[in-house]
Formats: sequence, structure tokens, C-alpha cells
Amino acid sequence: NFMLTQPHSVSESPGKTVTISCTGSSGSIASNYVQWYQQRPGSAPTTVIYEDNQRPSGVPDRFSGSIDSSSNSASLTISGLKTEDEADYYCQSYDSSNPYVVFGGGTKLTVL
Amino acid sequence: QLQLQESGPGLVKPSETLSLTCTVSGGSISSSSYYWGWIRQPPGKGLEWIGSIYYSGSTYYNPSLKSRVTISVDTSKNQFSLKLSSVTAADTAVYYCARHGAVAPFDPWGQGTLVTVSS
Repeated sequence: NFMLTQPHSVSESPGKTVTISCTGSSGSIASNYVQWYQQRPGSAPTTVIYEDNQRPSGVPDRFSGSIDSSSNSASLTISGLKTEDEADYYCQSYDSSNPYVVFGGGTKLTVL
Repeated sequence: QLQLQESGPGLVKPSETLSLTCTVSGGSISSSSYYWGWIRQPPGKGLEWIGSIYYSGSTYYNPSLKSRVTISVDTSKNQFSLKLSSVTAADTAVYYCARHGAVAPFDPWGQGTLVTVSS
């Protein structure tokens, strides 16, 4: 089964840049779009990146997404970190076979 | 704008069936090209996709749960539902409903509802 692997946690200081990776277990991660969700405690996830690198309206351009086919991974980069960016981040993609929808395990971002 | 709201019992006994409903407002559940999905999140853990139903009624389930899951849609009530049978404590989680496209993100999400499995 297709799986997405994320680091359990990352931390960085305010104003700095952090990158969260999401590595596909097989096939090509570039074959299907990757989404990124932000989840704050007690709230439902919200989309910060869709279709690999697109930002929904209202999401600051400090958030960006990319795909690296050579490492079969997707990345979420947050620049100019703010304390409000502290949250859990999940990558998600689709697979043509089962399971159809796949979520990464999530990464806890600490801004300290 | 489109809004989703989960409803159902917050406490289910082991071995019984968990039943939840997601009510869609601000839009039609029969809109073409959209899927309606269920996702759960055990306390302190990550997101797990349970399954989705296409507006036409086709269903897609997580293989790890497939034998216990049924998702259905009631277009007359603009609702879709989840049934998870033979529950155990491991099924204790916040259950979310959300809309998604074939390759589009899950958006919007419902606020989530905590279901505890306990006797």
C-alpha cells in the first residue's frame, strides 16, 4: 500500500524558514497531487497548499509547496515563521489503487 | 458558503455499531465531481481516511476498515452517513466529514465529533 512518511516533529525560531518533508513509499509522488493541511489544537484541518504548490486564498505567501521527484518527496516550506504557525501539518495525496486517499502521519511544528 | 456538520452518539459500546451523519448546507450533495468523505483522528494521533462516497453513490473504503465500514448518501436530506460495525476502544476518535474532489483537497471540513467506545 502507498504510504506518506513525515518527520514526527520540527522546530525553528520565529523569523526563520522551516521545511517539512513528505516521502512517498513507492511509485512516483509526482504522479498525484499533494495537499498540505494545518491543524491547530481542537480544530479541524485547513488547507494551506493544494495541487503540490497552490495556495488557497487567504493563505500567506510565506507558505509554499514543492515536489522533488529525485527523492520521491513533497515539501512544505514556511518562511518568516510566526508563533501562530505552530501547529500540526499533514500531507495528503491520492492513489489510483487502494487506499485511494492517503495521509501522512503528521508533523508537529514548534516555533520557539 | 458550503458547511458540513457531523452528528451522532458520542458514546458507543464495544461490539456495537457506530453511526454518524454529516449534514451539508449551503450547497447540494448531488453536485457533480465531488466526493464526500469521512476521516478520523484518535486522541493525540494523526488523520486516518475512512472512506468516501461519490455523488453518484460509488464508494471507496480504506482497506484496513473496509470489512466494517458502510458509507451511504441521502440526497433528499442532503446528508451522507457512516456506519462502523464491531467497534472497539481503538475506534475512539474525533470523526470528521469533508468534501473533496478526485484530486482536490478535503475542503471544507466539519468541526468534528468525538466518539468514545466504552462500556
